[in-house]
Amino acid sequence: GENVEQHPSTLSVQEGDSAVIKCTYSDSASNYFPWYKQELGKRPQLIIDIRSNVGEKKDQRIAVTLNKTAKHFSLHITETQPEDSAVYFCAAENAGNMLTFGGGTRLMVKP
Amino acid sequence: DAGVIQSPRHEVTEMGQEVTLRCKPISGHNSLFWYRQTMMRGLELLIYFNNNVPIDDSGMPEDRFSAKMPNASFSTLKIQPSEPRDSAVYFCASSPSTVLYGYTFGSGTRLTVV
Repeated sequence: GENVEQHPSTLSVQEGDSAVIKCTYSDSASNYFPWYKQELGKRPQLIIDIRSNVGEKKDQRIAVTLNKTAKHFSLHITETQPEDSAVYFCAAENAGNMLTFGGGTRLMVKP
Repeated sequence: DAGVIQSPRHEVTEMGQEVTLRCKPISGHNSLFWYRQTMMRGLELLIYFNNNVPIDDSGMPEDRFSAKMPNASFSTLKIQPSEPRDSAVYFCASSPSTVLYGYTFGSGTRLTVV
């Protein structure tokens, strides 16, 4: 089955700096890679996703890149703000029409 | 649409008691998922329904856990008897027939078993 590894598990950055979270997956047949943001005490919410027919997607300060050959994808947050502090989860579609989630990254943005 | 609706939001119960968690998926979504979240183990998939039929229940920890989906608009997760190690946040999520549109999570039920 699909296995998704996510790094780092915690990330602390200064406000205004960039943050990068990386994930690797094992199933070369996976075609869909969403990212979720979970604020403290709240539900995970989809913030951006990418499909295998593109290598990069951007939405304001966040962007995702995908390297299908290497089976890794990354989330990039630029000009970080305190409200970006949360746990971020990557995920990959698996053969069973489900998502396999990474272990999560706790991002702390220091003002 | 009100999104995925879970109840109760919080549940505190004594060890040995039966607990029932409820979920109403988004109308038109064919797939429903139950997850458990703890600090130690992260997000764990418990069970996945498609068109009301359980497809994958390999994540259900043991026989104390059971889940049903009697119709397209309602699902329950039951723990009987409950134990302190069941304390966690339980999320329900739904998605359209293909996962390529992501999941929508409910607000979760925070379960505490004392």
